[in-house]
Amino acid sequence: NAGVMQNPRHLVRRRGQEARLRCSPMKGHSHVYWYRQLPEEGLKFMVYLQKENIIDESGMPKERFSAEFPKEGPSILRIQQVVRGDSAAYFCASSPSGSNEQYFGPGTRLTVT
Amino acid sequence: KQEVTQIPAALSVPEGENLVLNCSFTDSAIYNLQWFRQDPGKGLTSLLLIQSSQREQTSGRLNASLDKSSGRSTLYIAASQPGDSATYLCAVRGNNDMRFGAGTRLTVKP
Repeated sequence: NAGVMQNPRHLVRRRGQEARLRCSPMKGHSHVYWYRQLPEEGLKFMVYLQKENIIDESGMPKERFSAEFPKEGPSILRIQQVVRGDSAAYFCASSPSGSNEQYFGPGTRLTVT
Repeated sequence: KQEVTQIPAALSVPEGENLVLNCSFTDSAIYNLQWFRQDPGKGLTSLLLIQSSQREQTSGRLNASLDKSSGRSTLYIAASQPGDSATYLCAVRGNNDMRFGAGTRLTVKP
């Protein structure tokens, strides 16, 4: 059973471009969480999704950021019109229904130049 | 709003020493608390998960305790090794999210 997969592992974008980060949860997991780790800071929750539903997006910036977890395929975190302050490591975690334990992916490091 | 604090921010110990990392949280209404390890440039590795009804969990040289009423958890590492050098994060799960501490950066010197 492969772990949580994230791609790309490293992503470089110029200011104003769009960034798409993908997360494939562990097999059988229907819950996905996205976190952001800014340089020198701790992890911060962004959004919690179940298949086709956003459960909690209280940590998502109001503009430019969106997330989805379609019925088929990976979860996508999308950042439009990226700015330098978006440079960070973005982690995805998944958990099965009925479990509190989250399994983390290796992260995507986004650099905005 | 849940706030999670980890003390100390950094810790350096000689190999073989036993050590304790501390985590405190402000809202005791939690589902569970999880300790993670993060190596530079890598993702998180889950070490121990303590449910809110539990008081401690053990795995190998690691022991984590939870005192919900006082809002504290400790991670005890016995007989530390250089390979234990990493950043240790505690995370508290509330209703729908997890709140992370800033981490303790541990260095174990050979």
